[in-house]
Amino acid sequence: DIVMTQSPDSLAVSLGERATINCKSTQSVLLSSNKKNYLAWYQQKPGQPPKLLIYWASTRESGVPDRFSGSGSGTYFTLTITSLQAEDVAVYYCQQYYNTPRTFGQGTKVEIK
Amino acid sequence: QVQLVQSGAEVKKPGASVKLSCKASGYTFTSYDLNWVRQAAGQGLEWVGWMNPNNGNTGYAQKFRGRVTMTRNASISTAYMDLSSLRSEDTAVYYCALSPRGDAYNHWGQGTLVSVSS
Repeated sequence: DIVMTQSPDSLAVSLGERATINCKSTQSVLLSSNKKNYLAWYQQKPGQPPKLLIYWASTRESGVPDRFSGSGSGTYFTLTITSLQAEDVAVYYCQQYYNTPRTFGQGTKVEIK
Repeated sequence: QVQLVQSGAEVKKPGASVKLSCKASGYTFTSYDLNWVRQAAGQGLEWVGWMNPNNGNTGYAQKFRGRVTMTRNASISTAYMDLSSLRSEDTAVYYCALSPRGDAYNHWGQGTLVSVSS
């Protein structure tokens, strides 16, 4: 199984400041034949199902604000929130869909400082 | 618009079985794989398995094999997940999730809480 490890487990950021979350996989999720990274980012607020933010490591889902961006390739990925808003308080998960079992990171809790 | 509506909360005793449903609408039910993901309180997301609603093919995470069965009734666009030999560690919210593009899950049900307690 591919193990996904996020860092940090939690972070507190001031409103308007940048938040950065990292995600490492134990094996590459880059498929060489199509040069796509099979990596997604989700946001989950209390009492709600996860919401897809980013797929293919850097493609923003429709309707997601452009302050959310994803980067990285192979085994190392980053989710950046460029100007944190109050409504961004949530837990964020990375997930690989390169193979089964699909696996998620343990989550990173983002709070306001 | 795509909607996944799940059945209501369940309370079960250890050793019992539970059958959850996920009713789909807004797309052709047999077109896309349906996945199940669970989340214990305060914990992360755990993939349980997938089902192809067209042919019934399934794939389960190793830890659930032998205890989980995913089925469907295409005539009513509904997927089911049966989990047997329940234990307290199975207490969680269970989500069905969909990926019409074949990548990440961009549609989720509202979740079903399963509580296992004696």
